[in-house]
Amino acid sequence: GAGVSQSPSNKVTEKGKDVELRCDPISGHTALYWYRQSLGQGLEFLIYFQGNSAPDKSGLPSDRFSAERTGGSVSTLTIQRTQQEDSAVYLCASSLAQAGGNQPQHFGDGTRLSIL
Amino acid sequence: AQSVTQLDSHVSVSEGTPVLLRCNYSSSYSPSLFWYVQHPNKGLQLLLKYTSAATLVKGINGFEAEFKKSETSFHLTKPSAHMSDAAEYFCVVPHSGTYKYIFGTGTRLKVLA
Repeated sequence: GAGVSQSPSNKVTEKGKDVELRCDPISGHTALYWYRQSLGQGLEFLIYFQGNSAPDKSGLPSDRFSAERTGGSVSTLTIQRTQQEDSAVYLCASSLAQAGGNQPQHFGDGTRLSIL
Repeated sequence: AQSVTQLDSHVSVSEGTPVLLRCNYSSSYSPSLFWYVQHPNKGLQLLLKYTSAATLVKGINGFEAEFKKSETSFHLTKPSAHMSDAAEYFCVVPHSGTYKYIFGTGTRLKVLA
């Protein structure tokens, strides 16, 4: 079956521009996560969705970052007025939400964002 | 509080020799545990998962891991390394009572010809 799909796979933009990253999770997965991975670093949690709600936005680095999810499916992560420190790989993951966390996450291949 | 510690940031092995990637966890109960692999320019791929059904877990690509409660460990092993195993490996534990996951800092595996 189809896995988690992210687009674009690569994005190069100028400092100050807005960017929108898209994630299409596995069908039926109610939980959706966004992570940021900077060069040579581990994963930094950004935001978690349960259905269309975001009960945990604690990882968003600043108010330039926002995310939404519609129809319990596709999610978009928007970065306004991009800065060079926003350059990173943005990973999306989905899972069957279950208390206790026995379900693993499934990841997309990420969007590689470069800010010039 | 739960946590995972990957004891080695880098591991180098020769092709055809065994692989051992170490992970220790901290939890007040027996958690679920996962190992993921990340190849260059790719997302994370699930290698295997432990969910208390069996302490020895077999995964994809010949990897396996053994859950040892007495040692609070979940080390990843493979009998014979292949060049294609060169990647970064992450040990992950779900955060109890939430839907978040706690990631180890990763171990970069290098396979020498």
